[in-house]
Amino acid sequence: GAVVSQHPSWVICKSGTSVKIECRSLDFQATTMFWYRQFPKQSLMLMATSNEGSKATYEQGVEKDKFLINHASLTLSTLTVTSAHPEDSSFYICSASARFNEKLFFGSGTQLSVL
Amino acid sequence: SQQGEEDPQALSIQEGENATMNCSYKTSINNLQWYRQNSGRGLVHLILIRSNEREKHSGRLRVTLDTSKKSSSLLITASRAADTASYFCASSRGDDKIIFGKGTRLHILP
Repeated sequence: GAVVSQHPSWVICKSGTSVKIECRSLDFQATTMFWYRQFPKQSLMLMATSNEGSKATYEQGVEKDKFLINHASLTLSTLTVTSAHPEDSSFYICSASARFNEKLFFGSGTQLSVL
Repeated sequence: SQQGEEDPQALSIQEGENATMNCSYKTSINNLQWYRQNSGRGLVHLILIRSNEREKHSGRLRVTLDTSKKSSSLLITASRAADTASYFCASSRGDDKIIFGKGTRLHILP
């Protein structure tokens, strides 16, 4: 099946710093990638939809200046958590679809801990 | 919230028994999907059932869909210890969003 690579797997940073998370589709072109946030023992909350070559579409309540998304190519999307604070600590997961609205292929997730 | 609901939230069964999880959703859908997540990992796609289908099988998995009740069920037969994970349903309306349910944490007891 299709592979989505996400890294880093985990990151610890100081409050106020910025963290970039990469999501790559390794063997298919993904015109759309999705970024989710997940708290322990809870479901995935969609943060934004990342479209190649255009601005990301953010879900209500998600600060676009806080969570910068760049989808510069058909195989790479990045999420940058700017000026991270402890409340941003969470598990972030990306996914991509090779066909519109068909099954999603997920990265392995990034555990962010902000001290 | 458009998020669906799964029940039960948590389920513990003996190895070899069947596990059934249910999912309800709120809007009309194009398809419904089930995913599995091992602790601290990404999700793995298990099965997709379209709105015009009522039942689908894949190995030890059986999924049903009742669009009149806006509900779906996932049955795992002859459970194994390796089936321990969280299971999520995800509904697609035909736009660019796929909405995940709250998940069922399944624990298979040896």
